[in-house]
Amino acid sequence: DAKTTQPPSMDCAEGRAANLPCNHSTISGNEYVYWYRQIHSQGPQYIIHGLKNNETNEMASLIITEDRKSSTLILPHATLRDTAVYYCIVRVGAGTALIFGKGTTLSVSS
Amino acid sequence: DAGVIQSPRHEVTEMGQEVTLRCKPISGHDYLFWYRQTMMRGLELLIYFNNNVPIDDSGMPEDRFSAKMPNASFSTLKIQPSEPRDSAVYFCASSLRAGRNQPQHFGDGTRLSIL
Repeated sequence: DAKTTQPPSMDCAEGRAANLPCNHSTISGNEYVYWYRQIHSQGPQYIIHGLKNNETNEMASLIITEDRKSSTLILPHATLRDTAVYYCIVRVGAGTALIFGKGTTLSVSS
Repeated sequence: DAGVIQSPRHEVTEMGQEVTLRCKPISGHDYLFWYRQTMMRGLELLIYFNNNVPIDDSGMPEDRFSAKMPNASFSTLKIQPSEPRDSAVYFCASSLRAGRNQPQHFGDGTRLSIL
């Protein structure tokens, strides 16, 4: 699986948009980009995934560059409850394991 | 809808004892995964099943670890004998069969402490 690079930490003010970058320069053509987050003491929570088109759901938006070498997860209006570790993962299909890196620790403050 | 259910949530036991962790996947899901999370190694896959059959157990640390899935709604991860270095949070996850790259959904984990 392709590897990803994320900044170790980011800060965001409550109510502002949080933009979390991810670099996946060696991604293959059939690999999807997934985003998960883990709030302290809980299991990882699925957020969103995409292949090459931008995606949006009730939680976030995913912007993937045209060359697919990087992506950005956008939380449009961050709240204190969005404080968590965010993981960017690339993989091929449902039958493959998720390989978690160290992720980005997002701290949202009032 | 009920998510992935794991039990117990916490387990404290003495070294050498047998430990059994349990998982109930989301109904209808074909894949089941067991992960372990420690401060040193982060989240890592131990084993996964497809339609109750183990597919990849290369992440199982040693023979003291075993996992079974007797039916589509239940799986166990057993450690016998347990050691202090097995202390970690163990997560179970499930997903639908491949087709649209269905995401994995995780339980809240079992926090295991071996004294």
